[in-house]
Amino acid sequence: DIQMTQSPSSVSASVGDRVTITCRASQGIRSWLAWYQQKPGKAPQLLIYAASSLQTGVPSRFSGSGSGTDFTLTISSLQPEDFATYYCHQGSGFPFTFGPGTKVDIQ
Amino acid sequence: QVQLQESGPGLVKPSGTLSLSCTVSGGSISNYYWGWIRQPPGKGLEWIGHIYYSGSTNYNPSLKSRVTISVDTSKNQFSLKLSSVTAADTAVYYCARPKYCSSTSCWGFDYWGQGTLVTVSS
Repeated sequence: DIQMTQSPSSVSASVGDRVTITCRASQGIRSWLAWYQQKPGKAPQLLIYAASSLQTGVPSRFSGSGSGTDFTLTISSLQPEDFATYYCHQGSGFPFTFGPGTKVDIQ
Repeated sequence: QVQLQESGPGLVKPSGTLSLSCTVSGGSISNYYWGWIRQPPGKGLEWIGHIYYSGSTNYNPSLKSRVTISVDTSKNQFSLKLSSVTAADTAVYYCARPKYCSSTSCWGFDYWGQGTLVTVSS
């Protein structure tokens, strides 16, 4: 299985801060990488697909980069509605796997 | 706008079979892959498997011996069966649609059901 790791596991930040979350795959996955935001009691919401493509309707303050094994999700200016848990997900090879999540909370 | 809705029992006895359906509305089930993902309370996400509308499937090897995913195009539904359940199978179960898939890879899930909590307990 392709193992996905994320860092940090949690981050405390303020509104307006720039937040960067990294995701690493245990083997190369080209650009078959997605990022999700999940709020308590809700289904995950797709933010980024194909490593760097912004999903329709997602604010442009979210961006993704990387390919191969190392990926990054950046929130350029954190907004109150962005406090949530973020997951990376590889869809390159079966079984598909998710990172353990990064919780972004209010400093 | 495509919408997905899970349905099925919220409580299953140990050693029993978990059965869930996902009804797709606002679009056809044809020409797409459809998947199941679960999330134990307070934990992360686990991909269970997915099915193409034609019936071809891929399963997580960790569950493969216990999982069956099927599709009913006439009802615009697909289903999950998980046998021999234990407390470790207690989770919120989501149905979802990948944004795009080749035969071996997918770009992530862009449509999700709201999720349904299934508890395994006697």
